Amino acid sequence: EVQLVESGGGLVQPGGSLRLSCAASGFIFSKYWMSWVRQAPGKGLEWVAGIKQEGSERHYVDSVKGRFTISRDNAKTMLFLQMNSLRVEDTAVYYCTREATSLSDSWGQGILVTVSS
Amino acid sequence: DIQMTQSPSSVSASVGDRVIITCRASQDISIWLGWYHQKPGKAPKLLVFAASGLQSGVPSRFSGSGSGTDFTLTISSLQPEDFGTYYCQQANSFPYTFGQGTKLEMK
Repeated sequence: EVQLVESGGGLVQPGGSLRLSCAASGFIFSKYWMSWVRQAPGKGLEWVAGIKQEGSERHYVDSVKGRFTISRDNAKTMLFLQMNSLRVEDTAVYYCTREATSLSDSWGQGILVTVSS
Repeated sequence: DIQMTQSPSSVSASVGDRVIITCRASQDISIWLGWYHQKPGKAPKLLVFAASGLQSGVPSRFSGSGSGTDFTLTISSLQPEDFGTYYCQQANSFPYTFGQGTKLEMK
């Protein structure tokens, strides 16, 4: 069974940093693109970042470029999202997802990030 | 970025009804489109990939069609567990983008 478990969320002040982690199990992690998708309270879904199997290719939505960094550790089957210079508008539930045919076929339960003073 | 526009934004329907949701892309995305269903407080679930491929385990009352810029998701006979919000997503080019969502409510 595919499992994706996020951790590292919480309350942070504007301008602060957080690092989200996602522990993956139940599949061959190194064979899949992985991504982060977020959902602001009461709003729709927003794809945030994606990373290729070996980490050589990464993509971001414009609103987080230069502030967020997606990375992975295939040996530990972990996905990460380093979030710097956080803004109030980054407040959201962040989902770790596995991509197949470029779509998110498996999702974690989500982790809440709140940016507020 | 490619803009995805869903319609309607919300719809009320009854069990047994046929429901159609449409999604339009701002440029040609071939068949690189998926549909998701989300219930309140839960993660989304992938229903359809590559515009018309049914994800494993998804009931056959769901079907997707379209290519290029215009796509549809059809639920042939609505069941109680189908209520919630539906999203389309393009995976043709980065950044991948979602439609704004269609909320399906019980009439």
